[in-house]
Amino acid sequence: DADVTQTPRNRITKTGKRIMLECSQTKGHDRMYWYRQDPGLGLRLIYYSFDVKDINKGEISDGYSVSRQAQAKFSLSLESAIPNQTALYFCATRTDNRNEAFFGQGTRLTVV
Amino acid sequence: GDSVTQMEGPVTLSEEAFLTINCTYTATGYPSLFWYVQYPGEGLQLLLKATKADDKGSNKGFEATYRKETTSFHLEKGSVQVSDSAVYFCALSDQVKAAGNKLTFGGGTRVLVKP
Repeated sequence: DADVTQTPRNRITKTGKRIMLECSQTKGHDRMYWYRQDPGLGLRLIYYSFDVKDINKGEISDGYSVSRQAQAKFSLSLESAIPNQTALYFCATRTDNRNEAFFGQGTRLTVV
Repeated sequence: GDSVTQMEGPVTLSEEAFLTINCTYTATGYPSLFWYVQYPGEGLQLLLKATKADDKGSNKGFEATYRKETTSFHLEKGSVQVSDSAVYFCALSDQVKAAGNKLTFGGGTRVLVKP
């Protein structure tokens, strides 16, 4: 099994619908992140969490919310999806600020 | 704030050619630097890293040297293979608390190696 698992892998949803993307990890890391990838823009940080009680906004948090249900689980929600939220979404975990992040395989979200 | 700039692609090469992908950065403190690779349909994987000035990261024939004086971390490989076709991301993690403990990415460079 993968260390960082994202579900679903692909999703098509309609404008205005609420959708949740889920991430779970078996690495035991405290730090978890949600990124969005758009062509030519690299990865942009949406939200990050250092533990269950510590959640922080990233550079593009508008229109998104998160929930850290446990050390191993970090969910991203789009309360009312819009077409420009169509993107590839990645969850990542990390031990600390000096070391690398470990990524899930991504969720491709299309909002029509 | 922190930023990473890397050359735009796509970069198209023949097998066994020399590959260089330029990466420069701006950071508040003394960052750790990373190169990640993304193969088609997959997530990002760490390729190599360097945590202080003059360190050289290396893996799978790729190398990058942390140059503080030029704020650069260019990726090189002497002889590429078709299997190196992927998108490469340069990233930094600033050690200064005010930077927010984030991992900041460049825009990615797509590399296509032809037989």
